[in-house]
Amino acid sequence: NAGVTQTPKFQVLKTGQSMTLQCAQDMNHEYMSWYRQDPGMGLRLIHYSVGAGITDQGEVPNGYNVSRSTTEDFPLRLLSAAPSQTSVYFCASSYDTRSGNTIYFGEGSWLTVV
Amino acid sequence: GESVGLHLPTLSVQEGDNSIINCAYSNSASDYFIWYKQESGKGPQFIIDIRSNMDKRQGQRVTVLLNKTVKHLSLQIAATQPGDSAVYFCAENGLSGSARQLTFGSGTQLTVLP
Repeated sequence: NAGVTQTPKFQVLKTGQSMTLQCAQDMNHEYMSWYRQDPGMGLRLIHYSVGAGITDQGEVPNGYNVSRSTTEDFPLRLLSAAPSQTSVYFCASSYDTRSGNTIYFGEGSWLTVV
Repeated sequence: GESVGLHLPTLSVQEGDNSIINCAYSNSASDYFIWYKQESGKGPQFIIDIRSNMDKRQGQRVTVLLNKTVKHLSLQIAATQPGDSAVYFCAENGLSGSARQLTFGSGTQLTVLP
C-alpha cells in the first residue's frame, strides 16, 4: 500500500497563478483533509471531506477550493496564488477520526509563491 | 475559540535522559488528545493518545499525563535516543462540524545531545 501520496513535493508559483495539489490514498478512507503548516507553527485545517461528494471548510479556507469526486482523491486548488500561501501543505486521511492512530499524513508539499 | 499551546518552543536533553514536553489547552470540554512526532521533511506521526476519562497512559518508552484541573498534558520520553530528535505537537481532537478535527499546538523542537 502506498498510504497517502501527495504531489508535487515542491512547487514555485508566481503571484496570481493557479495550481492543484494532488492527494490520493489507497486505504479506502472516507475522511480526508488538507492542512497548512507555517514556520514554527502547528498544522491548521484548510478543508476536509467526510466522504465522496461532501466537503467542508476548516479553520483557514480562504483562497483554496477542494472537491471529492472519488473516495481516493482529494485535490486542493489554489485559485490565484498569493505570497501568504507560501507554506507546507499536508494531506491526511482516516477511516475513523475518533481514533488518532487511524489518521495518516502524507509527506507534505512545499509551496513557494513569489 | 479553543487553542492548544506549548510552554517551551525548544528542549535539549542528553542522550539517555528522560524528556518532558508540556502542553496547555484552553477548552475545558476537550476530551481527546494526541501527541504527534514530526521529523524534518515529513508529515506528523502518531505517538500516543489519551482520552479525558484517563489521567495517564503509557506506551513504549512514552507516557502521557493529563491534568484536567489545570488543563495541561505532558509527554514523557524515557531514555531519550538520537532518533527522538524531532518536533513534537500536542493536538486536541474535538468534534467540529461533521467530524472530529485536529487542533494543533505550535510544537516543541526536541534535540538529543550526544
